Amino acid sequence: EIVLTQSPGTLSLSPGERATLSCRASQSVSSSYLAWYQQKPGQAPRLLIYAASTRATGIPDRFRGSGSGTDFTLTISRLEPEDFAVYYCQPYGSSRAFGQGTKVEIK
Amino acid sequence: EVQLVESGGGLVQPGGSLRLSCAASGFTFSSYAMSWVRQTPGKGLEWFSGISGGGSGTYYADSVKGRFTISRANSENTLYLQMDSLRAEDTAIYYCVKGSRGSYPYYFDSWGQGTLVTVSP
Repeated sequence: EIVLTQSPGTLSLSPGERATLSCRASQSVSSSYLAWYQQKPGQAPRLLIYAASTRATGIPDRFRGSGSGTDFTLTISRLEPEDFAVYYCQPYGSSRAFGQGTKVEIK
Repeated sequence: EVQLVESGGGLVQPGGSLRLSCAASGFTFSSYAMSWVRQTPGKGLEWFSGISGGGSGTYYADSVKGRFTISRANSENTLYLQMDSLRAEDTAIYYCVKGSRGSYPYYFDSWGQGTLVTVSP
């Protein structure tokens, strides 16, 4: 099973700043089958990105996914107040284990 | 609009059983794989079971294999999870999740609001 390591565990930033979240896999993720999800307190997760870099329907373009193989990145270009949340990465090929999450909190 | 509504959660004693249901609407249910994902309070997400659109393929994580059974009734647009031999570590919020296509590989494009299962004496 692929093990995902997300870093940092917590990112403390101010609105308007750029957020860079990392997701590293223990083995290569086939065909870039990698998704990112956002979860706010008390809510279910929401799909942000699939196929490593394709934004889901309705996701603003300040969210950008990139990477391939074992290294993936989610970048939020300018943080809006509603972006402070926990973000999870997940491969969806042979393994479906989620990363442990990165919390983006207000500094 | 896709809607997934879970029901059946609650308090159960260790060793007991519980059956979760997920009523789906807003899409052609039989065309999409479905999964159950759980989240321990204050912790991360764990995918533990999935089923193909037609129902012929079922998949389980080792943590629940042999104890949980996923099934679906396509004529009723409903997903089920039968949970037996429940343990304290099964305490979690259980989410019903829609896959992006009928079979592997699929990402999770819609989530229910979740139902809480508590396993305690």
